[in-house]
Amino acid sequence: GAVVSQHPSRVICKSGTSVKIECRSLDFQATTMFWYRQFPKQSLMLMATSNEGSKATYEQGVEKDKFLINHASLTLSTLTVTSAHPEDSSFYICSARRGRGYGYTFGSGTRLTVV
Amino acid sequence: GQQVMQIPQYQHVQEGEDFTTYCNSSTTLSNIQWYKQRPGGHPVFLIQLVKSGEVKKQKRLTFQFGEAKKNSSLHITATQTTDVGTYFCAGPGSNDYKLSFGAGTTVTVRA
Repeated sequence: GAVVSQHPSRVICKSGTSVKIECRSLDFQATTMFWYRQFPKQSLMLMATSNEGSKATYEQGVEKDKFLINHASLTLSTLTVTSAHPEDSSFYICSARRGRGYGYTFGSGTRLTVV
Repeated sequence: GQQVMQIPQYQHVQEGEDFTTYCNSSTTLSNIQWYKQRPGGHPVFLIQLVKSGEVKKQKRLTFQFGEAKKNSSLHITATQTTDVGTYFCAGPGSNDYKLSFGAGTTVTVRA
């Protein structure tokens, strides 16, 4: 089946620093990947759509300068949380699918804690 | 925009009993997908329903897509401790790929 690898799985960083999260499709090419944020006991909130070779599209209310997305190849998308603050602490998950008619495969998620 | 509503939010079930979680959309969906997220884990794709009135089974799980393609349900029979987790339904937006997730039904099982 389709495999999506995400790392790091956990990261603790100091307030004001930046953190990069990687999402890789291991056995398929993904021109589009999605980045979600999930707060404890809540649903997944789509943050942005990562498009290979072009700019990401962000959902309303998501600061594009704070959450930088790069999708430089067909198998890798990165999310950089810039100048992180404690309120950015959350569970970030990426997803992609092999093609239409397939379900989405999620990465294992990154639990970010900003101290 | 399209919204997917899911109830109940919590379901506490006696082992061996059945339960159902329901999903409703404000608009007609081209398809609906179901995911399961174990505690501390990430969502895992269970199934996709496409046709009006479609019913699919996976062992003790029965998934149904409404005739109007605006609602769906997941019924689990003879609940086991392995069924613990949060079940999400998700529907695509107008561009057919951006998913909108329901709030999820978190299932706990008492032995």
